[in-house]
Amino acid sequence: DSGVTQTPKHLITATGQRVTLRCSPRSGDLSVYWYQQSLDQGLQFLIQYYNGEERAKGNILERFSAQQFPDLHSELNLSSLELGDSALYFCASSVTAPWEGNTIYFGEGSWLTVV
Amino acid sequence: DAKTTQPPSMDCAEGRAANLPCNHSTISGNEYVYWYRQIHSQGPQYIIHGLKNNETNEMASLIITEDRKSSTLILPHATLRDTAVYYCIVPLNSGGSNYKLTFGKGTLLTVNP
Repeated sequence: DSGVTQTPKHLITATGQRVTLRCSPRSGDLSVYWYQQSLDQGLQFLIQYYNGEERAKGNILERFSAQQFPDLHSELNLSSLELGDSALYFCASSVTAPWEGNTIYFGEGSWLTVV
Repeated sequence: DAKTTQPPSMDCAEGRAANLPCNHSTISGNEYVYWYRQIHSQGPQYIIHGLKNNETNEMASLIITEDRKSSTLILPHATLRDTAVYYCIVPLNSGGSNYKLTFGKGTLLTVNP
């Protein structure tokens, strides 16, 4: 158990809908990362937050957004869902943003299926 | 845009040491090398990381060459449960003092009975 908690574990929704994935980082970790893993793409970095502020952006679509709240939990919002958004979404956390030498820990992911 | 090169697959006999190579010839002097693994559809699991010196923990050993252009992850006594995709990662600078962990395709290690 990495200490990073993600909910829900599984989610099935229809195209065009909107979903919210939630992440609770490890106790004491200020930085949260979101990744997407689809069958044909591998692990893709989406976005990073540190203590409530966006710090880095990867290949995140405009239909997707994220935020980190004062209690440090984070939410990833996916809207206007398409079939291609079906994937595993991972959240990860680390102590600090400049984490060279620190370790980033991953949750077990949220399975999203868009039908 | 990963900065590492790994073989796509490797086999290892159960009980033997698994040696997974990684090339990171463009690594800078202050950049760490991280190793993670992912067992089918589970969250990536941290294994070990290092800067210059060799490192060992309860899971594995990391051997980094003196010029730091390559490294080897060693699982001393591989078990069937070690079958996974292993990722060697050098974090990419995303601006200022921020770095992001970018995964390449990794090495699929298959441990055979």
